[in-house]
Amino acid sequence: NAGVTQTPKFQVLKTGQSMTLQCAQDMNHEYMSWYRQDPGMGLRLIHYSVGAGITDQGEVPNGYNVSRSTTEDFPLRLLSAAPSQTSVYFCASRGTGINSPLHFGNGTRLTVT
Amino acid sequence: GENVEQHPSTLSVQEGDSAVIKCTYSDSASNYFPWYKQELGKGPQLIIDIRSNVGEKKDQRIAVTLNKTAKHFSLHITETQPEDSAVYFCAPRKTGGYQKVTFGTGTKLQVIP
Repeated sequence: NAGVTQTPKFQVLKTGQSMTLQCAQDMNHEYMSWYRQDPGMGLRLIHYSVGAGITDQGEVPNGYNVSRSTTEDFPLRLLSAAPSQTSVYFCASRGTGINSPLHFGNGTRLTVT
Repeated sequence: GENVEQHPSTLSVQEGDSAVIKCTYSDSASNYFPWYKQELGKGPQLIIDIRSNVGEKKDQRIAVTLNKTAKHFSLHITETQPEDSAVYFCAPRKTGGYQKVTFGTGTKLQVIP
């Protein structure tokens, strides 16, 4: 059981380039989300989804797009990378149970130069 | 939205001593109170959680206590070991539906051998 898988682990982009961070989970979780983690800022919610075809904005959505065409996948797109988007990105999912915790991937470290 | 604060932001203890991290939240409707541990290079993982109908929960060396009136809950680690060194996050939320999850800013715990 792989859990939450994020690819790539590391990425370097130039300002203005685009890329997609991949996230897949094999736990049949309806809820999936993306966080960014910056030093001293904790984990900030970018976008989240409560099921296929449904997405919503989190705390810091600007500069990022998401879509949810299947239950398993929740890609995060950077359309025009900026140095302010240098961060570690985490994907997380959870199930429907009352006490269901978030399950995190191991992150993608993105550097924008 | 939920306003979550964690204290302290860093904590150094001698091996074998106890450590306590406090999380204060603003939404009185929150009723699920988890603590996550993040080791270097990995995503956060749930270590213990509590629901609002319980005041304290213990799992070996870790415990969580809840004061719902004062809107805070705390993580207690006894007999600390070097492997407890990590960043700890709280993430209180409501359990109805798929609520957005707001994390505290994290506490970096260092256990000195």
